[in-house]
Amino acid sequence: SAVISQKPSRDICQRGTSLTIQCQVDSQVTMMFWYRQQPGQSLTLIATANQGSEATYESGFVIDKFPISRPNLTFSTLTVSNMSPEDSSIYLCSVPGQGNYGYTFGSGTRLTVV
Amino acid sequence: GEDVEQSLFLSVREGDSSVINCTYTDSSSTYLYWYKQEPGAGLQLLTYIFSNMDMKQDQRLTVLLNKKDKHLSLRIADTQTGDSAIYFCAETTAGNNRKLIWGLGTSLAVNP
Repeated sequence: SAVISQKPSRDICQRGTSLTIQCQVDSQVTMMFWYRQQPGQSLTLIATANQGSEATYESGFVIDKFPISRPNLTFSTLTVSNMSPEDSSIYLCSVPGQGNYGYTFGSGTRLTVV
Repeated sequence: GEDVEQSLFLSVREGDSSVINCTYTDSSSTYLYWYKQEPGAGLQLLTYIFSNMDMKQDQRLTVLLNKKDKHLSLRIADTQTGDSAIYFCAETTAGNNRKLIWGLGTSLAVNP
């Protein structure tokens, strides 16, 4: 299965600023997923990022707040813009496994907004 | 819409078996997964089962699927303190979208 390197692993940010999270995959993948996991909650899909096209956002998430880049088949970034304390969460990227055999996740970015 | 439900907490004694249950609503689910999340760590795929299977065994892990009742369970034999974690059930359908639908997670506490 793919190996994902996700950075940063954690950050503490001031409200009103932006943070960009990066995911690098060791193989080419068509689809990458970005999730948010709020404290004590399950995972919520933010958007699906396909190379060469705009990301597809889930209900409740908008491009202005969570812009995504997907410049090639091994890399993607998610930016959390104009942050507020409500954005404090773990953010994870994920890619499908070979033949639908599971999804691989990055180690997550623990974001605290103060 | 699609929904996946799990009980939130389970406490067992070390050496006992743990059974974590999950129900889902999407009758077109094709793949069902169990993920483990240890404190401060990412998500680790534990095991998966295809919807045309009833059971899958992988060392200490046994997955049972009752497709008629849309019920999935994960049994961990000889539970160890290292098994303490949150266990997430997730399902997806085949096709281009391949979105995962997640349960809220079951927090497993293993007591010595």
